[in-house]
Amino acid sequence: KAGVTQTPRYLIKTRGQQVTLSCSPISGHRSVSWYQQTPGQGLQFLFEYFSETQRNKGNFPGRFSGRQFSNSRSEMNVSTLELGDSALYLCASSPLSGAGHNEQFFGPGTRLTVL
Amino acid sequence: AQKVTQAQTEISVVEKEDVTLDCVYETRDTTYYLFWYKQPPSGELVFLIRRNSFDEQNEISGRYSWNFQKSTSSFNFTITASQVVDSAVYFCALSEAPPRGGSQGNLIFGKGTKLSVKP
Repeated sequence: KAGVTQTPRYLIKTRGQQVTLSCSPISGHRSVSWYQQTPGQGLQFLFEYFSETQRNKGNFPGRFSGRQFSNSRSEMNVSTLELGDSALYLCASSPLSGAGHNEQFFGPGTRLTVL
Repeated sequence: AQKVTQAQTEISVVEKEDVTLDCVYETRDTTYYLFWYKQPPSGELVFLIRRNSFDEQNEISGRYSWNFQKSTSSFNFTITASQVVDSAVYFCALSEAPPRGGSQGNLIFGKGTKLSVKP
């Protein structure tokens, strides 16, 4: 089975621009979560999508948004980029079940640099 | 509030040494899950183990073993006979109870422990 794929792998933007990152989950996985990783704050949860609906959201400003498509692929968008948005953005997919708390399988991440 | 503390920022060992990575967590939930992930230099987080709060049995998988103790809120990870390929950042994580149905619940990560295994 192919793993979680994320595109692009690397991205350089300037302040004020916006960016869209893409994530394709493992085939059959319907839950997709996004995390931001920075040296200062570590790994922080952004949001989770299932059945094209946001199910859970972390403590990030409204500039960070996401969506999920009917094929479970997900995108996240960051508008009006700030220097502090430079980070590794990780996507994780999971085979959602009623019990929840399943292991999440992570992609290689998108390294975003904001200049 | 939920919190995961990995007090060891960096550990350096020589190959074949045993090494234990510490993880202490805080939660008010009675049902919760704990995880360990490995992040090699490539950046991808690799799942190692999941443990629920009702299962305090220690687990061994090859050279890896985990010691879960609810009494001390700890979930420590030991690598026996370490190898250079074990060099990575290791994260302990706690799964918060989902706010509603249809959610995995988000992972709360510790800051990670960078393990360097030298030949």
